[in-house]
Amino acid sequence: RKEVEQDPGPFNVPEGATVAFNCTYSNSASQSFFWYRQDCRKEPKLLMSVYSSGNEDGRFTAQLNRASQYISLLIRDSKLSDSATYLCVVKTGANNLFFGTGTRLTVIP
Amino acid sequence: DTGVSQDPRHKITKRGQNVTFRCDPISEHNRLYWYRQTLGQGPEFLTYFQNEAQLEKSRLLSDRFSAERPKGSFSTLEIQRTEQGDSAMYLCASSLGTNGETQYFGPGTRLLVL
Repeated sequence: RKEVEQDPGPFNVPEGATVAFNCTYSNSASQSFFWYRQDCRKEPKLLMSVYSSGNEDGRFTAQLNRASQYISLLIRDSKLSDSATYLCVVKTGANNLFFGTGTRLTVIP
Repeated sequence: DTGVSQDPRHKITKRGQNVTFRCDPISEHNRLYWYRQTLGQGPEFLTYFQNEAQLEKSRLLSDRFSAERPKGSFSTLEIQRTEQGDSAMYLCASSLGTNGETQYFGPGTRLLVL
């Protein structure tokens, strides 16, 4: 079983829509959780960390459910510039990150 | 630009050749990571350095792969006797070395083995 599983999509949504991505992780000892964004042929960049209490950064809201080992990302009022692949990332152990396959989002005018 | 840099950005080689990639981390970062990413997949961890010490290696890192960080600054990743299956994006990341720290990625080296 993969460390991190997410729906690869693609998600095609109109501008202004709300879209949600989910992922699950297999190791209950995982300690830190993140969403990274990756544009086509570019490196991953940190979008936001995910905290147990849930956290929000502008139009983006991340939530963590440790009991279900489930992480979500909600994007409100989608912009064309939100088109990218969103990677669910889990840190298990001291150092390395485990990435999901990514969910591809295309926001349509 | 004070971000992570990688060189070369692209490499085309023939099967059986050796290749070496370089990563320069953000200057004050003591931790350096190598990842590999293939099409349609997320990055997969290869190895990790804290300063000059290589502390962890993935089972993905076969005997043909070797990484060094001799002075605790830049790092090199060498692949010997390349195979077509080695074709991928090789990403380097660095971090400051505190718990839960953010890893910052370089632009990657895209390798194509013919």
